[in-house]
Formats: sequence, structure tokens, C-alpha cells
Amino acid sequence: AQSVSQHNHHVILSEAASLELGCNYSYGGTVNLFWYVQYPGQHLQLLLKYFSGDPLVKGIKGFEAEFIKSKFSFNLRKPSVQWSDTAEYFCAVNARSGGKLIFGQGTELSVKP
Amino acid sequence: DAGVIQSPRHEVTEMGQEVTLRCKPISGHDYLFWYRQTMMRGLELLIYFNNNVPIDDSGMPEDRFSAKMPNASFSTLKIQPSEPRDSAVYFCASKGGVNTEAFFGQGTRLTVV
Repeated sequence: AQSVSQHNHHVILSEAASLELGCNYSYGGTVNLFWYVQYPGQHLQLLLKYFSGDPLVKGIKGFEAEFIKSKFSFNLRKPSVQWSDTAEYFCAVNARSGGKLIFGQGTELSVKP
Repeated sequence: DAGVIQSPRHEVTEMGQEVTLRCKPISGHDYLFWYRQTMMRGLELLIYFNNNVPIDDSGMPEDRFSAKMPNASFSTLKIQPSEPRDSAVYFCASKGGVNTEAFFGQGTRLTVV
């Protein structure tokens, strides 16, 4: 069965600090990987996705993520965060053999101005 | 396309009442998901459909919960009878194939008093 683990529950950073949010998944086969963002009071929106090819993927708003297959990881990064990045971030995975899409517990990011 | 449409946006009901949440997926999408979001449990997958057929309902918490998808453009999630612990935000999402991203509705905030 698939599972997703996000290491950090709540991260607090100052503006311009670098960000890295951890995500590990558990599944023996080929997967698609996603990061979604949820701004306060809003629905989830796609930040970036990985299906195949270059393991370093770039998303919107300067975010990127790297798929490391040997570590079953898909960590999210941003070199310099802004106050407007304050949100909750979710890692998600679905097996390429099926459509089931499951999410990690989420990481709340607070950026201090 | 208007995106995934959920109704109602907010629902307040008394314990013991029946609650029906509705979802209209994006036209042409063949996967539909129902999620529940709470502070304690994060974003849980309740059930998902493929081509209107329920594929995995292992996340449905109890027999009080049921979901249907009578056609490709409509799905319902019903709770009968409702309990205060069902209070949460319920999200519907759809996607157009295994190897695509999911799009989320605005959610229904359910409060059971």
C-alpha cells in the first residue's frame, strides 16, 4: 500500500531564508509525485509534479523539487521564501499502475516578514 | 471550464441529521476523489471513483458514510446520521487519467452541532 510521510509539521522561517520540506513515500513500484499548496481558507492548488524524466522539477513561484528514487524522497525547495509563501504544503503520490492519490499530513509554513 | 464545483460551501446541521455533499467534476475527467481535512488527521482519502465506479472506499470511516456517482458529472457524499466528530472540510477532486494531476474544489465546511 502507498503511504506518504512529511517530516516537518510546522516550519517557521524569516523572509529570504531558504526552504526545504521533506517528503518520503512508501511504494514498491513506479509513482507520480506532487506538491500542492493550500493558502489559508482556500483549496489545494498544484505547485509542481513529477511523472518521469529529469528528477529535478520546477514549479510555480520559484519552487522546485528533486526526486531521489533510491531514497524514495521528493523534497520541496525554495532558495528564498517570501511572506506570501505562508501556507500549508502537501506532498502526494499515486502509483502509475492505478489512480489512487494519497497525501502526506502536510507541513504548515509560516514566514515572518 | 469552471473547475470542480462543490456545494454547499458551508453546512451547519444538528447531530443525527442527514447531510449530503455534492460535487461536479471537471468535464472529461474520469477520476473523482473525496477527501476529508481535519486538524488532527490532515487530508484523508475517503473514496475514489474511476469511470463512475467506486474503486477504493477503504477510507470511509463508518457505515454512516456513503458515496455515489450516478453519472460522469455528479457525485454525492452522504452522512447519515451525522455526528459532531464529522465536522471537517470535505474536498472533492477530479483528474483526467492516471498520469495527470488532480484539481480540487473549494471544499464544503461541515459543522455538526
